Amino acid sequence: AQSVTQLGSHVSVSEGALVLLRCNYSSSVPPYLFWYVQYPNQGLQLLLKYTTGATLVKGINGFEAEFKKSETSFHLTKPSAHMSDAAEYFCAVPPGGGGNNLTFGKGTQLKLEL
Amino acid sequence: DAGVIQSPRHEVTEMGQEVTLRCKPISGHDYLFWYRQTMMRGLELLIYFNNNVPIDDSGMPEDRFSAKMPNASFSTLKIQPSEPRDSAVYFCASSPGSGNTIYFGEGSWLTVV
Repeated sequence: AQSVTQLGSHVSVSEGALVLLRCNYSSSVPPYLFWYVQYPNQGLQLLLKYTTGATLVKGINGFEAEFKKSETSFHLTKPSAHMSDAAEYFCAVPPGGGGNNLTFGKGTQLKLEL
Repeated sequence: DAGVIQSPRHEVTEMGQEVTLRCKPISGHDYLFWYRQTMMRGLELLIYFNNNVPIDDSGMPEDRFSAKMPNASFSTLKIQPSEPRDSAVYFCASSPGSGNTIYFGEGSWLTVV
């Protein structure tokens, strides 16, 4: 079954600095990969989605992610962090075998420092 | 457009009581999911339905948990009897199916004391 690993449960960056949140998938190239964001006391919101073909995916709020098959990675980046980006970020992948659900990583809490 | 609607948003109940969480999926979505989120275990899939039929309930923790989807616009997750370890945020989500994109509700925050 497919799974994702998020390296770093907590990441702290200064406002204006580069944001890099890491995600690696487990095995064969998945048809889709997702990043979701969860703001405090809210549900998960789709940030961006990879589908086969385009390796650089642009999402909402200035975030983007690059699919790298050679590294089995799908890291999330943003050139300049804003205080409003403080949230928890989840990478997700279909579990494989034709299931329509998603398997989520453990999440990475992004903290912004002044 | 209305998103996934969950109720109640917050519930505090005593151990042993029955808890019923409710969900209205996005209209036209064929898939409905129930997830549970805790600090210790993260986000776990409990069960999901396709066209009102349960497809995978392997994540349901034990017999105290049950879920139903009597029609395309309504689902319930019931815990009977509730225990303190059931305290968590329960998310309902729905999906049109194609492409696996899942849309989440705001969650039901359950505290069992």
